[in-house]
Amino acid sequence: GAVVSQHPSRVICKSGTSVKIECRSLDFQATTMFWYRQFPKQSLMLMATSNEGSKATYEQGVEKDKFLINHASLTLSTLTVTSAHPEDSSFYICSVLRPEAFFGQGTRLTVV
Amino acid sequence: KNQVEQSPQSLIILEGKNCTLQCNYTVSPFSNLRWYKQDTGRGPVSLTIMTFSENTKSNGRYTATLDADTKQSSLHITASQLSDSASYICVVSSANDYKLSFGAGTTVTVRA
Repeated sequence: GAVVSQHPSRVICKSGTSVKIECRSLDFQATTMFWYRQFPKQSLMLMATSNEGSKATYEQGVEKDKFLINHASLTLSTLTVTSAHPEDSSFYICSVLRPEAFFGQGTRLTVV
Repeated sequence: KNQVEQSPQSLIILEGKNCTLQCNYTVSPFSNLRWYKQDTGRGPVSLTIMTFSENTKSNGRYTATLDADTKQSSLHITASQLSDSASYICVVSSANDYKLSFGAGTTVTVRA
């Protein structure tokens, strides 16, 4: 069965609005979750590491004020894309290590 | 810099035929290598995971090989089916940290 659940699977939003994506670990407690972004025909790029109860660790070039990550519980991490622009349109995926990497279903974000 | 290179970038095969995908990596020290299948618009799903001591691992019609000396891996698909059409991603984990190095993927198209 699924290990990680991501919601929503698709979202279309207007430019300037914010969008929240949820990532849930279904049957275990995940102190660490990972957020990736994937552009068409490209591989996954790690954006940030979400740490339960502490600040997320962002990869170089990823704006932490634009991509807000909250890991308030051991089963839920959220990624909020603030003031979204069309260039933020992408496929966002979360994952956990158990120790094998399990990925969520992904969220297709389209900013119009 | 840890890198993972996959070839070919894409391939088209006829249903029922076999194919082999390649993965070369420079990740060091090496922990494990994973192959994932990613359907369009979905998150990656694990096919195999191999550690340093494993040379081959099968999962149904998928067989992965690993040569840790030459830092090469292959994924062989036997008797391809239309449902095998997807992107196949090679992911290597370093023994130093939790971060994963992703290949760009090989897009496989199976035609009837």
